[in-house]
Amino acid sequence: EPEVTQTPSHQVTQMGQEVILRCVPISNHLYFYWYRQILGQKVEFLVSFYNNEISEKSEIFDDQFSVERPDGSNFTLKIRSTKLEDSAMYFCASHGADEKLFFGSGTQLSVL
Amino acid sequence: QQQVKQSPQSLIVQKGGISIINCAYENTAFDYFPWYQQFPGKGPALLIAIRPDVSEKKEGRFTISFNKSAKQFSLHIMDSQPGDSATYFCAASIRSNYQLIWGAGTKLIIKP
Repeated sequence: EPEVTQTPSHQVTQMGQEVILRCVPISNHLYFYWYRQILGQKVEFLVSFYNNEISEKSEIFDDQFSVERPDGSNFTLKIRSTKLEDSAMYFCASHGADEKLFFGSGTQLSVL
Repeated sequence: QQQVKQSPQSLIVQKGGISIINCAYENTAFDYFPWYQQFPGKGPALLIAIRPDVSEKKEGRFTISFNKSAKQFSLHIMDSQPGDSATYFCAASIRSNYQLIWGAGTKLIIKP
């Protein structure tokens, strides 16, 4: 079965550093998302991306966050200056014409 | 109004029993209601989803019951098996934007 691939699986960084989380969505999908899940809390929507631009973003997705599709396969989330409260599991997801959203296994980000 | 409330927080069911998880929402604009299953260390995986034009949807041992007037929907797992032990999330979205609003999750344990 096709899958969404995320790298790295774990990322440890110092507060104030920039991080880039990488995702390879399913190849024929056109809609891409980032969600995050703080330990023990609910999954939260961050941003949706379609046709090379942001479709929707949540209040969490402030100026410190950006997304990019630098080539035909990768979809990245950049956090410019990480804060302690950015520590979470970040999930990339994608879907095609239907609403069946496929999630990657996530990147556990720890900000020290 | 954007919240989706999920209960119970945790649930223990004997093997072969029926597991029932409930969700309630406020926003009447929601028109897509999926359930996700998440195993430790993995991303959420779509289990089953329903639209408000039907009151029930069944796929194998999994059934969604939907009550539009009460703004509630529930997941029923028949003949629960130890392999069903996972965290289950309900979610809701407005179809036009696919921005999922998630419940807090239910940790389900099936006792052999």
